[in-house]
Amino acid sequence: DTAVSQTPKYLVTQMGNDKSIKCEQNLGHDTMYWYKQDSKKFLKIMFSYNNKELIINETVPNRFSPKSPDKAHLNLHINSLELGDSAVYFCASSQSRTRQETQYFGPGTRLLVL
Amino acid sequence: GNSVTQMEGPVTLSEEAFLTINCTYTATGYPSLFWYVQYPGEGLQLLLKATKADDKGSNKGFEATYRKETTSFHLEKGSVQVSDSAVYFCALSKDSNYQLIWGAGTKLIIKP
Repeated sequence: DTAVSQTPKYLVTQMGNDKSIKCEQNLGHDTMYWYKQDSKKFLKIMFSYNNKELIINETVPNRFSPKSPDKAHLNLHINSLELGDSAVYFCASSQSRTRQETQYFGPGTRLLVL
Repeated sequence: GNSVTQMEGPVTLSEEAFLTINCTYTATGYPSLFWYVQYPGEGLQLLLKATKADDKGSNKGFEATYRKETTSFHLEKGSVQVSDSAVYFCALSKDSNYQLIWGAGTKLIIKP
């Protein structure tokens, strides 16, 4: 059983398009995250939700909008895609928000903007 | 502010060699420290963690000890295998909102 799943796994699209990435976790966790990983493997937190409430919103262009319909799902919508948005996007979840908490990652969505 | 510094990669070793990947941190308070591993084409997964000073985390032959006096959490393994080839990330938890602060990652290449 997949703990944290993301769709699609690969996404190739043209500049200016709007796209969405979906994430679901079946671990019963309260907290979910979106990360962006660039070509040098640097990992950057974008957003975090706890029980459907936004708790972390890093400096990310407002073209990126997360949506959490319930605590098992956290989707990422991107408007007006730009070349610099090409990256791997990871969804993750954790049981709660304590400093010992382990984060569980999805397999990633590889976005290529042409 | 809080930060994590890892040794730059790639680190290239022969099979059965001893591995050390250095990680040092800057933090206020008492963070928890983590090592995550990312195998090619996959998401990250927890390798080990330590939640207080002098704790040793261990898993799959890897170990790291939380050293508050040197603010370090170096990853070690006595005998690496080709299957250990991956990118390794050191991270600490941030007290204020429990966000993870990540190192830049160290790519490890093990040659047969």
